[in-house]
Amino acid sequence: AQSVTQLGSHVSVSEGALVLLRCNYSSSVPPYLFWYVQYPNQGLQLLLKYTSAATLVKGINGFEAEFKKSETSFHLTKPSAHMSDAAEYFCAVSEKGGSQGNLIFGKGTKLSVKP
Amino acid sequence: DTEVTQTPKHLVMGMTNKKSLKCEQHMGHRAMYWYKQKAKKPPELMFVYSYEKLSINESVPSRFSPECPNSSLLNLHLHALQPEDSALYLCASSQGTAANYGYTFGSGTRLTVV
Repeated sequence: AQSVTQLGSHVSVSEGALVLLRCNYSSSVPPYLFWYVQYPNQGLQLLLKYTSAATLVKGINGFEAEFKKSETSFHLTKPSAHMSDAAEYFCAVSEKGGSQGNLIFGKGTKLSVKP
Repeated sequence: DTEVTQTPKHLVMGMTNKKSLKCEQHMGHRAMYWYKQKAKKPPELMFVYSYEKLSINESVPSRFSPECPNSSLLNLHLHALQPEDSALYLCASSQGTAANYGYTFGSGTRLTVV
């Protein structure tokens, strides 16, 4: 069964510092991968997705992620953190050819940004 | 219109009440979803509608009853809920149910069962 693991339930960075949120997937075939962000008392917003085109995916708000098959990873990065980036981030996976509605979420990483 | 709109934003209900959550989208998406999210947890899938037909029910108790009156609307009818059903209920939609589509989520309904 496919799954995603997000290393670190809480990451804290200083404003202007690099943001790195880790996600590793477990799947028998390269899956589709997604990053979502959730601000307090809000729904989830799609940041970016990997669907087997370019391995480096650029998303909204300056975020990007790189699909590395050899490492089964899809880490999310941003060169310079802003205070407004403080939120919960979820990595999610769905399997190519899989049944509908099988978007599996990781447990989430809460990002704090210090001034 | 690129939004999924959920109403109400907050709902407090007693265990004997009947209430409904509403979700609406006008993006032409043909798949709609209900998720339940407990505090500090990821969303958990409850129901999937594809072309207005229920295609997935993730073993959800019958006190939750979904309805899809048309391609733009999705309801979740609630009856005889328990306090442990208190959570954020999220609606989402996507162009279709193929695995590569990203979802558009609503802001959710914060439900408290007393």
